[in-house]
Amino acid sequence: GAGVSQSPSNKVTEKGKDVELRCDPISGHTALYWYRQSLGQGLEFLIYFQGNSAPDKSGLPSDRFSAERTGGSVSTLTIQRTQQEDSAVYLCASSLQVDYGYTFGSGTRLTVV
Amino acid sequence: QQQVKQSPQSLIVQKGGISIINCAYENTAFDYFPWYQQFPGKGPALLIAIRPDVSEKKEGRFTISFNKSAKQFSLHIMDSQPGDSATYFCAARGGGGSNYKLTFGKGTLLTVNP
Repeated sequence: GAGVSQSPSNKVTEKGKDVELRCDPISGHTALYWYRQSLGQGLEFLIYFQGNSAPDKSGLPSDRFSAERTGGSVSTLTIQRTQQEDSAVYLCASSLQVDYGYTFGSGTRLTVV
Repeated sequence: QQQVKQSPQSLIVQKGGISIINCAYENTAFDYFPWYQQFPGKGPALLIAIRPDVSEKKEGRFTISFNKSAKQFSLHIMDSQPGDSATYFCAARGGGGSNYKLTFGKGTLLTVNP
């Protein structure tokens, strides 16, 4: 596609439920990133995928968070047993190569009630 | 430990004025310094970027000034327009083993009054 596509754009969930957030990167982009943006804060790195290499999961805040990337394209970020502190905008980005600038999607705004 | 400190948190400028946003970093391994512009409901968009071997880069009305010895860099928006009203983030990319990871400042909300 022309840009990075994320779905859903908004998600309201009850505390304790699991959620899945989806990211469709720009076609041909080998690098994919997830960041989290909390109110009044900058962007916090979560996870990085590059081709078939093992992902860098060092930014995932707890073991309730996981992500996968299928076929080197679409990625899903899963949050299990959601907590109120998980409320944030989850942003996905992709780049042609590691050394190129990121293109961000519009994000998924997650609200845990 | 906040590795990239951004100021001010908010800035109000009159149309035609100069907007200046400052960032300071601590990690000397950083090797790439981009600025992102974010409008409400949208993801950040790359505005302009600089590498530490250059002291200044200009693209249209946007200029980055970089001071390697002081570990500081700043964004200058000349002839600011109401359409420039947005949140601006500075960032730095880690060198070495994490050359893909961006560390962001907390953002500056810029309002340009007509």
